[in-house]
Amino acid sequence: SAVISQKPSRDICQRGTSLTIQCQVDSQVTMMFWYRQQPGQSLTLIATANQGSEATYESGFVIDKFPISRPNLTFSTLTVSNMSPEDSSIYLCSVGSPNQPQHFGDGTRLSIL
Amino acid sequence: RKEVEQDPGPFNVPEGATVAFNCTYSNSASQSFFWYRQDCRKEPKLLMSVYSSGNEDGRFTAQLNRASQYISLLIRDSKLSDSATYLCVVNIGYGGSQGNLIFGKGTKLSVKP
Repeated sequence: SAVISQKPSRDICQRGTSLTIQCQVDSQVTMMFWYRQQPGQSLTLIATANQGSEATYESGFVIDKFPISRPNLTFSTLTVSNMSPEDSSIYLCSVGSPNQPQHFGDGTRLSIL
Repeated sequence: RKEVEQDPGPFNVPEGATVAFNCTYSNSASQSFFWYRQDCRKEPKLLMSVYSSGNEDGRFTAQLNRASQYISLLIRDSKLSDSATYLCVVNIGYGGSQGNLIFGKGTKLSVKP
């Protein structure tokens, strides 16, 4: 399966700031996704990153808070904007094809002070 | 009703034991099914896909009952290294976002010497 690299692996940020997380894949992939896993919870899909167009956001997530870029088939970024302590979470990117299992990057552990 | 529900756990078992996890899903249009494993502070990793006819991979057996909307995972001869959280995952494949995976909250397994 594809090798998925996320940066940074962890960060501690001040409230009100923004952080951009990068996801790089070693091969071209059809679909890329961004998830959030809050402490003690399972994964929740934030959005599907679409190459060359605006991301498709799930209910409860908006572009102003979580802008996403996907300039090509191997790279995507997720920005967590105007952070608050409630945004402390693990953020994961994944790649996959329709109806196939997804494979995950090793995640970005974000803590907001 | 939650979309994917799993045994609450945790399961604490001795080495060599057989342990079974159950999962139910609410969306009858669900298209594909998976078990993922997540180690502490790590990303989820695909354990196995689940097929209608049932499938086996070494000590692991997965079964799907579409009529009852029920998925199971059986682990035989448990090893210490099996200790992890096991996530039941369903692909509901709606609209154009056919990569949408719905994750259960997971069942924690702890295998003791």
